[in-house]
Amino acid sequence: AQTVTQSQPEMSVQEAETVTLSCTYDTSESDYYLFWYKQPPSRQMILVIRQEAYKQQNATENRFSVNFQKAAKSFSLKISDSQLGDAAMYFCAYAAQYSGGGADGLTFGKGTHLIIQP
Amino acid sequence: DADVTQTPRNRITKTGKRIMLECSQTKGHDRMYWYRQDPGLGLRLIYYSFDVKDINKGEISDGYSVSRQAQAKFSLSLESAIPNQTALYFCATSDPGTSGQETQYFGPGTRLLVL
Repeated sequence: AQTVTQSQPEMSVQEAETVTLSCTYDTSESDYYLFWYKQPPSRQMILVIRQEAYKQQNATENRFSVNFQKAAKSFSLKISDSQLGDAAMYFCAYAAQYSGGGADGLTFGKGTHLIIQP
Repeated sequence: DADVTQTPRNRITKTGKRIMLECSQTKGHDRMYWYRQDPGLGLRLIYYSFDVKDINKGEISDGYSVSRQAQAKFSLSLESAIPNQTALYFCATSDPGTSGQETQYFGPGTRLLVL
């Protein structure tokens, strides 16, 4: 079974600074997807960024970027120019490539609580 | 209007009661999922459905059942609720045929308290 590990229960960063959230995963699959979801106090799950395992280029979405190390099974999220609105729980998630396309569900890590200091 | 809706948003029930949580989507996606979130544990998959006739158990299906009434509707039932089913429940949808990237879109969640 796949597992996703987030080793940092909580992180704190000053506003405008850069922070990196760590994620490692364990899988025997070669085709899969990785995601970072954000959960603010409203509890809505919001997609931040996604990465296809077959792509060597790291995904980037505005201030959010990932460092995807396939051999090391590592998928960290970097948030640049941190803003107060970035304060939330961040979940790393994995989805194996289903034989018919897509996947049969996400496996989530336990989350990292990100605090933004003004 | 939201693409994925869940009703109710909050529910308090008693041990032994039957309860149904409903999910509807307007995204036209074939695949729907139910997850539960417990503090400190992240989200875990309960059931998923690839279409109306294809329903599959997830990691923690014991004590739950589901019904896929239509492409747009996927309900989760607790036949006899127990206190350790107190959690936040999420419905999600995906359509890999469109994006090919297996992104899941989540509803707003239902907070369930079993007394």
